Amino acid sequence: RKEVEQDPGPFNVPEGATVAFNCTYSNSASQSFFWYRQDCRKEPKLLMSVYSSGNEDGRFTAQLNRASQYISLLIRDSKLSDSATYLCVVTLNTGGFKTIFGAGTRLFVKA
Amino acid sequence: DADVTQTPRNRITKTGKRIMLECSQTKGHDRMYWYRQDPGLGLRLIYYSFDVKDINKGEISDGYSVSRQAQAKFSLSLESAIPNQTALYFCATSAGGAYNEQFFGPGTRLTVL
Repeated sequence: RKEVEQDPGPFNVPEGATVAFNCTYSNSASQSFFWYRQDCRKEPKLLMSVYSSGNEDGRFTAQLNRASQYISLLIRDSKLSDSATYLCVVTLNTGGFKTIFGAGTRLFVKA
Repeated sequence: DADVTQTPRNRITKTGKRIMLECSQTKGHDRMYWYRQDPGLGLRLIYYSFDVKDINKGEISDGYSVSRQAQAKFSLSLESAIPNQTALYFCATSAGGAYNEQFFGPGTRLTVL
């Protein structure tokens, strides 16, 4: 089982749609959680950190469910510019530092 | 100017050659990382360094070595390149702390023939 799993997609949605991605992680000692965005052939960039209480940044909402070991990302009112790959990232520091990236979920927003 | 730079951006080499990828940062961060990205696998951590005197192996360090020449510089070497090291390599930096955003360089596309 992969340590961080994401549905690879692709998710194809029309502009204005709401889309949600989930990510599951296997290590209950995981400490920090993030969503990164990666455009084709570009470097990943932080979209948002995911806090225990959940957090919102404009059209983006991230939530953490420690009991079920998953995090989610909700994008409302999708824009063409939201087309990218979304990476779920988990860090832990037990017996050494680890940053684990999911393989990513591809999103295509079409006009 | 970019905060995290990588050189070269693209490199084609042959099996058995020694290759060095370089990373420089102007963010003043202590922590630096090297990752490789392969299709369908996500980024995997090769080595990381939390300060100039600290070097740690990541998930997939075999066949790689690193040098932290200064706070701002972290290089990755492939001592004897092999074709399955063909990948996209990213350097990243971060400050300390639990919620430490990592800032990535633009990547180096390496092809080993």
